[in-house]
Amino acid sequence: NAGVTQTPKFQVLKTGQSMTLQCAQDMNHNSMYWYRQDPGMGLRLIYYSASEGTTDKGEVPNGYNVSRLNKREFSLRLESAAPSQTSVYFCASRDDLLSYEQYFGPGTRLTVT
Amino acid sequence: AQRVTQPEKLLSVFKGAPVELKCNYSYSGSPELFWYVQYSRQRLQLLLRHISRESIKGFTADLNKGETSFHLKKPFAQEEDSAMYYCALGLGGYNKLIFGAGTRLAVHP
Repeated sequence: NAGVTQTPKFQVLKTGQSMTLQCAQDMNHNSMYWYRQDPGMGLRLIYYSASEGTTDKGEVPNGYNVSRLNKREFSLRLESAAPSQTSVYFCASRDDLLSYEQYFGPGTRLTVT
Repeated sequence: AQRVTQPEKLLSVFKGAPVELKCNYSYSGSPELFWYVQYSRQRLQLLLRHISRESIKGFTADLNKGETSFHLKKPFAQEEDSAMYYCALGLGGYNKLIFGAGTRLAVHP
């Protein structure tokens, strides 16, 4: 099992460009999450999806959109990137029927210039 | 507002010394608290949860509701304990985790 995978690992964007961060999990988990981590701060929840077809806002949703494409995949889109979105982005998943534990991906380091 | 505070950015100890990583939380309800750890070049992973009251890799954490704390302790640190440690508060049926800023533990030989 690969667990939670994220693509790309690194990305540099110019202000105003758009891009989609991809996340997939092979653990058959219902719930999936997107976080961002800025220097000196903890992870902050952007959006989450408790099940296929549903999404909900977290702490810092502004400037982002998400799509729960199917049970495996949960993508995060930046429509018009801003320097304030420079961060490390983590995807996570959880089997909400069995466990409280979230399983994290390796992260995507995004720089917006 | 819900908040998790880890007052130390870096904790540096020698091998064999006791370790205490501090975590304080702000939450009016009944808290669900966790410690997550990230070793070098590895993913963030769950270390322990307060309800389980178990010891993982020699670490324990006790919830003190009076002091709103959930400090992580280990009596004798090992070099392999060097990592980033994050305290987290679980809300909304575990769908929302509020993380502290993290403490880097460096264990020197």
